[in-house]
Amino acid sequence: EIVITQSPATLSVSPGERATLSCRASQSVSSNLAWYQQKPGQAPRLLIYGASTRATGIPARFSGNGSGTEFTLTISSLQSEDFVVYYCQQYKNWPPWTFGQGTKVEIK
Amino acid sequence: EVQLLDSGGGLVQPGGSLRLSCAASGFTFSSYAMSWVRQAPGKGLEWVSAVSGSGGSAYYADSVKGRFTMSKDNSKDTVYLEMNSLRVEDTAVYYCAKMGGWYAPFDNWGQGTLVTVSS
Repeated sequence: EIVITQSPATLSVSPGERATLSCRASQSVSSNLAWYQQKPGQAPRLLIYGASTRATGIPARFSGNGSGTEFTLTISSLQSEDFVVYYCQQYKNWPPWTFGQGTKVEIK
Repeated sequence: EVQLLDSGGGLVQPGGSLRLSCAASGFTFSSYAMSWVRQAPGKGLEWVSAVSGSGGSAYYADSVKGRFTMSKDNSKDTVYLEMNSLRVEDTAVYYCAKMGGWYAPFDNWGQGTLVTVSS
């Protein structure tokens, strides 16, 4: 089973600033990695797939990078609606499909 | 527009059973694999099960193997999760999710249905 580790658990950032979230896989997943955003009381929403491709309707301020075992999600200029929880997930080796434990982006 | 409507959650005693449903619309249902993903209160996301587009192949997390059964009815555009021998630790919001393929992300999600296992 591929273990996914996200860091930090909580990221404190001021509105308008850049946020960088990290995701590490216990073995290579190539580019088979996705990022999801989850707002309180809502289902997750796909943001990024293939490590760097934005899903339909996702604003350009969200970008993904990386391959192999190290990945990042960058939010270039944080808007109020971006202060929520983000998960990464691998779909290279399955089952199981595995998620990281999440990073909460909070207002500094 | 893809829509997934989860239903069937509720309160059940430990050892009991429950069946969840997910009604799909807006895409060619028989062409896509589907999954169930759960989230315990205040916790992260955990993949539970997946079924192929035809419904002929299914996969399960070790935590539910032998207790849960996922099925797909392409005539009704609906997936099901039959949950038996429920445990307190199965308490969670259960989401159905559409998969772009086996090597693809969960691209659309239902709104979730809450399962509470408690005496």
